[in-house]
Formats: sequence, structure tokens, C-alpha cells
Amino acid sequence: KQEVTQIPAALSVPEGENLVLNCSFTDSAIYNLQWFRQDPGKGLTSLLLIQSSQREQTSGRLNASLDKSSGRSTLYIAASQPGDSATYLCAPSDDYKLSFGAGTTVTVRA
Amino acid sequence: DVKVTQSSRYLVKRTGEKVFLECVQDMDHENMFWYRQDPGLGLRLIYFSYDVKMKEKGDIPEGYSVSREKKERFSLILESASTNQTSMYLCASSSNRAGQPQHFGDGTRLSIL
Repeated sequence: KQEVTQIPAALSVPEGENLVLNCSFTDSAIYNLQWFRQDPGKGLTSLLLIQSSQREQTSGRLNASLDKSSGRSTLYIAASQPGDSATYLCAPSDDYKLSFGAGTTVTVRA
Repeated sequence: DVKVTQSSRYLVKRTGEKVFLECVQDMDHENMFWYRQDPGLGLRLIYFSYDVKMKEKGDIPEGYSVSREKKERFSLILESASTNQTSMYLCASSSNRAGQPQHFGDGTRLSIL
């Protein structure tokens, strides 16, 4: 059974600082890995999808890396803004089934 | 953009009632999913459907059933609601082409009294 750990559980930074969110998973036989954002009381918004053959994926200020063999992924958010405050979830996939971490709750202070 | 629509944002029901949660997607996706999300337990897969009338149990199917009569619609059914089914329910869909992302709805906050 895939176990997903996200560290830290919570993070508070001043606006403009870069964010580094870590995700580790126990079974490296994954198909891909998705990063999501969740605002309080809302659903999940897909941020990035990294295929198992890729090392990284970028979208705007977001960059996600994947080291499949060591079971790690990192989400970098450059120049954080108050609007980036949310919970970030990583979810490796074994083709169709996602396994979720507990998330990292980010607060960006203005 | 993919649109996954859940019929209710908030729902309050009583124990013993039969409860229906509806989900519709507009992208002709083959796969649809129901999850529940609880504090401290994260998101857990209840059921999964990969085609019309096809379904597979997820990690926590007990007390739930599902229906997929049309490709765009996936229903979660609580046969006899209990208080421990109070939760946030999230629907998702994805294409069955390799390596495609899952897209989520806004969720239904269900309270069983």
C-alpha cells in the first residue's frame, strides 16, 4: 500500500519568499505524480502532473521535481504571494489510483 | 477547461435515510471517482468507475454503492446513512489515456444528524 508523507505539515512565510514543499512515497512503481491545491472548504485544483519518465515540470511560478527511484517529489513556488495560501497535496498514481498525502498548509503573510 | 460538477455543496440528512450524491463531468472522460476527505485521514477512495455500468471498490466501500448509467454521470449512494458518514465528498474524473490527470469537483459537505 502506497504511503505518502508531506513535510512540513504547515508553513508560514512572508510575501516574496520562495516555498519548498516536500513529498515522499514508499512505492516507487508509480505511473505519474500530481500536485494539487485545496482552498478551505473547496475541492482540489490540479497544479502540475509529472510523468514517471520526467524529472521536472514547470508552470509559471511553480516547478515540481520528481526522483522516482528515491520516492521523492518537491514543489517549488517562486516569489510567494498571499493568494498562494492554501493546502498543497501530492498524489502519486499507479495508473488510475491516486494516493494522497496529508498535505502542507501554507500561509503567506502580506 | 474540464468541468466536474457536484449537485450540492452542502447537504444535511438524518440517520437511516438513503442519500444520493450526484456528479457530472463534461469532458467525455471514461474514469470517474468518489473520495471522502476527513481531518487527519486525508482523501480516501470509495469507488471508481472506468466505463458505463462498470465499477470497482476503492479502499473504503463499506456502506456505499455507486451507479453509472451514463458516461457523464456518477452517483454515490449511502444506502442507510450513519453519523460516521459525515464528511466531505469529492468526485473526480479522468481520461483513460495513459498519464492523464484527475480533475476534481468542488465537493459536497454532507452532515448526517
